[in-house]
Amino acid sequence: EIVLTQSPATLSLSPGERATLSCRASQSVYSYLAWYQQKPGQAPRLLIYDASKRATGIPARFSGSGSGTDFTLTISSLEPEDFAVYYCQQRSNWPPWTFGQGTKVEIK
Amino acid sequence: QVQLVESGGGVVQPGRSLRLSCAASGFTFSKFAMHWVRQAPGKGLEWVAIISSVETTKYYADSVQGRFTISRDNSKNTLYLQMNSLRPEDAAVYYCARDGEPPYFDHWGQGTLVTVSS
Repeated sequence: EIVLTQSPATLSLSPGERATLSCRASQSVYSYLAWYQQKPGQAPRLLIYDASKRATGIPARFSGSGSGTDFTLTISSLEPEDFAVYYCQQRSNWPPWTFGQGTKVEIK
Repeated sequence: QVQLVESGGGVVQPGRSLRLSCAASGFTFSKFAMHWVRQAPGKGLEWVAIISSVETTKYYADSVQGRFTISRDNSKNTLYLQMNSLRPEDAAVYYCARDGEPPYFDHWGQGTLVTVSS
């Protein structure tokens, strides 16, 4: 089973700042990695797939990078609606499909 | 637009059973594999099961293998999760999610809450 480790657990930032979230895989997942956003009381939403491709309707301030075992989600300038929990997920080696434990982006 | 609506959650005693449903609309349901993903209160996301588009292939997380059964009725555009021998650790919000193109969880339902308590 591929384990995904996200860091940091919590990121405290102000609106307008840049957010950088990390996801590390226990073995290579090539580029088969996605990022999801989840707000309280809502279902997750797909943001980024194949490490760097934005899903339909996702603003350009969200970008993904990386390959192999190290991945980054960057939010270039935080909007108020971006404060949420973010999960990475791999589809390289399944079953099981695995998620990271999440990074909470909170308002400083 | 794609819509997934779960139902069937509730409070159940340990050892009892529950069946969840997920009604799909806005896309050709029979062409897509479907997943169940759960989230315990205050915790992260855990994949539970997948079923292929025509029900030939099913996989389960180790934590539910032998107790849960995923199925679908393409004539009714509905996904199911039969949960038997429920344990307190099965308590969670259960989401159905579509295995999109490319195969990531591209659409999710709003979730249905399962509480396992005596």
